[in-house]
Amino acid sequence: DAKTTQPNSMESNEEEPVHLPCNHSTISGTDYIHWYRQLPSQGPEYVIHGLTSNVNNRMASLAIAEDRKSSTLILHRATLRDAAVYYCTAYSGAGSYQLTFGKGTKLSVIP
Amino acid sequence: DTEVTQTPKHLVMGMTNKKSLKCEQHMGHRAMYWYKQKAKKPPELMFVYSYEKLSINESVPSRFSPECPNSSLLNLHLHALQPEDSALYLCASSRGPILGKEQFFGPGTRLTVL
Repeated sequence: DAKTTQPNSMESNEEEPVHLPCNHSTISGTDYIHWYRQLPSQGPEYVIHGLTSNVNNRMASLAIAEDRKSSTLILHRATLRDAAVYYCTAYSGAGSYQLTFGKGTKLSVIP
Repeated sequence: DTEVTQTPKHLVMGMTNKKSLKCEQHMGHRAMYWYKQKAKKPPELMFVYSYEKLSINESVPSRFSPECPNSSLLNLHLHALQPEDSALYLCASSRGPILGKEQFFGPGTRLTVL
């Protein structure tokens, strides 16, 4: 199974960009990298996913290293509502749709 | 409707009880999932249903019994649980068993086993 490693916690000031790193050195060529976040007392919420190229959507950007061993989730302007646990995940194996969650990074946003 | 609903929100049960958790989605998704999440831990996959058929069982004890009556509904039947089974049980769905498709999660059922 592809395993992901993330820092336990990070802090950001409100309205500043946040870069959340993830290492996934055992990822296979067909594994997508997904990011989810979980606000307190809620289920996880999809943020973004990618395979090889950098990706952007309305919530965030995903920068994937050329060797695919790491990726960075970028929140362009952190708000208080972005305070959550961010999970970097990988689908483990071709044809599988199993999300293998990492331990997650707890993001605190300081007003 | 982009929502996954789960009932009940909270459940307290004894070790000899039989109860069921329910999950529903009306997004036309053909893959549905059960996850278990202990406090301050990431979600762990339990079961995957694809087109109403069980396709993945992550070595879950038989006291947990999933059921998918139709493409919109997913149940988790609970019997003879242990206190260590107390956790948040999350249901999710996705468009189908295609690699890379996002999963939509429900708010979860908080289960306490006494």
